[in-house]
Amino acid sequence: QSVLTQSPSASGTPGQRVTISCSRGNSDIGSNTINWYRLVPGAAPKLLIYNNDQRPSGVPDRFSGSKSTASASLAISGLQSDDEGDYYCEAWDDSLNSVIFGGGTKLTVV
Amino acid sequence: EVHLVQSEVEVKKPGESLKISCKASGYSFTTFWIGWVRQIPGKGLESVGIVDPGDSYTTYSPSFRGRVTISVDKSINTTSLQWSSLRTSDTATYYCVRRPGGVGTYAWFDPWGQGTLVIVSS
Repeated sequence: QSVLTQSPSASGTPGQRVTISCSRGNSDIGSNTINWYRLVPGAAPKLLIYNNDQRPSGVPDRFSGSKSTASASLAISGLQSDDEGDYYCEAWDDSLNSVIFGGGTKLTVV
Repeated sequence: EVHLVQSEVEVKKPGESLKISCKASGYSFTTFWIGWVRQIPGKGLESVGIVDPGDSYTTYSPSFRGRVTISVDKSINTTSLQWSSLRTSDTATYYCVRRPGGVGTYAWFDPWGQGTLVIVSS
């Protein structure tokens, strides 16, 4: 069972802006930073956002991250068909002393 | 350029042992922690554990503690994940990933290896 909670699915049309959220059930997400990854079949997972809102070089500025005490979000603007895939949030859990992932959100571009 | 190269597929029977490896190149191997992440077919990502290649200090996620062993061979820039007795439930893709920042917050996984598919079936 995932310790971080994500909606199982999200969808949008080309050019639209979509947001994927990541929370921690009934409690705040805490002060630890959130990272975001995308998985597509046949390819290695890719880092999209690190430390809540930082974009690695090579990731388009259409991707942005934000975080409050309650939850974290990944926003994708100017949606493209290539953006389809499974998106995961990730954080460090101090009580488990380990990395935790969200359950993943499957993004479909219709 | 940073690369993490893994073997592609391993097919084993329940009860057998297995060691899969991940060879790093393109950076100073002992400078960054490395993690292993599991993805069961059709399921999400789970962290197995992360290791400091400098001193081999390893921290395991609770679900994997005692089930697997992560090791390092600095002489060949390689990290390994091994099982002494496989179960069918170990069937999954296992990714090795570099972890800038190491343990704790302000750390992340990048880049990822291409994954090793482990199939455990009688």
